[in-house]
Amino acid sequence: QKEVEQNSGPLSVPEGAIASLNCTYSDQGSQSFFWYRQYSGKSPELIMFIYSNGDKEDGRFTAQLNKASQYVSLLIRDSQPSDSATYLCAVRGNGGSQGNLIFGKGTKLSVKP
Amino acid sequence: GAVVSQHPSWVICKSGTSVKIECRSLDFQATTMFWYRQFPKQSLMLMATSNEGSKATYEQGVEKDKFLINHASLTLSTLTVTSAHPEDSSFYICSAQDYRSTDTQYFGPGTRLTVL
Repeated sequence: QKEVEQNSGPLSVPEGAIASLNCTYSDQGSQSFFWYRQYSGKSPELIMFIYSNGDKEDGRFTAQLNKASQYVSLLIRDSQPSDSATYLCAVRGNGGSQGNLIFGKGTKLSVKP
Repeated sequence: GAVVSQHPSWVICKSGTSVKIECRSLDFQATTMFWYRQFPKQSLMLMATSNEGSKATYEQGVEKDKFLINHASLTLSTLTVTSAHPEDSSFYICSAQDYRSTDTQYFGPGTRLTVL
C-alpha cells in the first residue's frame, strides 16, 4: 500500500514567520512530488512540483526533496494570513507520467496576524 | 494557462435522480482526467481515471455502474451520478493532466452535490 503521510496540524505560525510543512512517502520508486493548497470549500490549486533532490524555490515558497529519506517539505517564508489553508502533499509513483497521484491527508496551516 | 472548469458548481437533487457533472480543460488538451470525491474534513479520494476515447479505470470500491464516466474529447469529461442517494452528497472534483507536461494535474473548482 503506497502511502503519503502528513501531520494533520493545525500548524499555527505568526504572520511573517516561516511555516514548515512536512511529508513522508512509502514508495521508494516515487519520481514526482507536488504541493497543493486547498482553501476551505475550494478545490486544490498547484503550488509547486519537484523532481530532483535538493531545494526548489518559487517566490516565498521553497520545496525540499530528500529521496534517500523519502521526505519532502514545503517552506513558506514571510507567512501571511492569506496562506492559511490546508496543504496537500502528492506523490506520483513509479508508474511514470501516467501513474496516479497519491495524496496525503493534508496539513492545516493557520497564520495569525 | 492550465484552467479547468466544472459545471455545475453546485447542485441539489432528490434521491433517485441522476446528476451529470462536466469537466473541461479550457486552454489545453487533457489526455487524462481524474475524478475525486471529498467528504467534509476528509482527504481527496480518487474515484476513477478517465482517458480520452477509452473506458475509465475505477478505483477499488467505486461502482462503475453508479458513477458513469465519459471522456469523449481531449477537453471534456463527464461524471454522471446515477440514482443518487443522500450518502452520495459530497464535493466532486475533477483534474486534468496537461499532455505537454504530463506530470502536472490541474484541478477544477469542484461541484458540491447535495442529495435530499
